[in-house]
Amino acid sequence: QSVLTQPASVSASPGQSITISCTGTDSDIGGYNYVSWYQQDPGKAPKLIIYNVSDRPSGVSNRFSGSKSGATASLTISGLQAEDEADYYCSSYTSSYIYVFGPGTKVTVL
Amino acid sequence: QVQLVNSGGGVVQPGTSLRLSCAASGFAFNNYPMHWVRQAPGKGLEWVAVISYDGNLKLYADSVTGRFTLSRDNSKNTLYLRMDSLRPEDTAVYYCARDLSGGGAHDLWGQGSLVTVTS
Repeated sequence: QSVLTQPASVSASPGQSITISCTGTDSDIGGYNYVSWYQQDPGKAPKLIIYNVSDRPSGVSNRFSGSKSGATASLTISGLQAEDEADYYCSSYTSSYIYVFGPGTKVTVL
Repeated sequence: QVQLVNSGGGVVQPGTSLRLSCAASGFAFNNYPMHWVRQAPGKGLEWVAVISYDGNLKLYADSVTGRFTLSRDNSKNTLYLRMDSLRPEDTAVYYCARDLSGGGAHDLWGQGSLVTVTS
């Protein structure tokens, strides 16, 4: 059972924006700026899309953005496209010197 | 080509051992911390362990502490995960992953190795 919480699913139409929340505690998200977000297509390895709360790796679309307020991190996908349909996971460093993933959010493009 | 290649998965019985390998190429392997992350069939991602760039620091998830051992050979650009006392709940695809910034940002992943623990 994950110590981070995410909505199980989010859906929207192409062109719209969505925000996925990832809620933790002061011992993880709230205490460190080491929050990452991953996109995973079925049967594939995850892909890093946001790290250090809001940094984007080279090659990742600027339609993906990250932020944090207190113990809740958020991933926003703007201008939703069919190719964005996937599972999205947040991850954080914790005060126990380990890392945790959220349970994942399935994004559906209507 | 910058890549990580997983190997060593398979079907094993409960209580037995298995070693996974992760061969790195195309980048300075000895500059990066490395992680293992697993994913049970149809389930989410679970962080397993991390090893520092020099191999001196190793941290494990509670679920594998005392049973799994992480190591690396920087001369061979290879990461290892020794798994002992395997349980059915260890059944998963195991991915090795590079840590981009030291804060758990996994920017490069192997293709994964399936480990099935069953009697």
